[in-house]
Amino acid sequence: GAVVSQHPSRVICKSGTSVKIECRSLDFQATTMFWYRQFPKQSLMLMATSNEGSKATYEQGVEKDKFLINHASLTLSTLTVTSAHPEDSSFYICSARVGENQPQHFGDGTRLSIL
Amino acid sequence: GQNIDQPTEMTATEGAIVQINCTYQTSGFNGLFWYQQHAGEAPTFLSYNVLDGLEEKGRFSSFLSRSKGYSYLLLKELQMKDSASYLCAVLDSNYQLIWGAGTKLIIKP
Repeated sequence: GAVVSQHPSRVICKSGTSVKIECRSLDFQATTMFWYRQFPKQSLMLMATSNEGSKATYEQGVEKDKFLINHASLTLSTLTVTSAHPEDSSFYICSARVGENQPQHFGDGTRLSIL
Repeated sequence: GQNIDQPTEMTATEGAIVQINCTYQTSGFNGLFWYQQHAGEAPTFLSYNVLDGLEEKGRFSSFLSRSKGYSYLLLKELQMKDSASYLCAVLDSNYQLIWGAGTKLIIKP
């Protein structure tokens, strides 16, 4: 149980393109979903927390107009990287949890490369 | 401030036992998680401790002492596939997960 699907797994695109990443909880309803970014050999960095039906809470330093998050249902959250540039190239990972004291279960991640 | 400390890197031998320590100072405590992350992959959930004591799950065990702000992950009968980073994370009073930087475990034959 507790499977989280993230799609696509890899994206390579030109600078200026907007990229949409989907995160789905397949066998449970996720009250909260999280978006992380991880640069090579560095720690996970939380970008934002989203609850179904409400606006995402962004961490300090994360531009909400650049990283658009939509949590339309209890099983789906999307992250759109708008007008991506090479410095946005990173490993983006979503996670979902059922309740506050439940573990976060992670998707497989999306490797984004902006040329 | 909130702080989680764990060693940056550890090396162990295949078939042996290794203990990865984690100490924490957080605003409140609602549980401690251990995750495994292989290079280039997303983390996978290993264990959750909210009460003091040892939780055993196969070759992996996790221990918690809330009074000491201390946990460890014990890996027995090490296999080469256990080479990975092990992340300690604490759920604070706001149910926000505070992540440690991770311990890179290198297993040698």
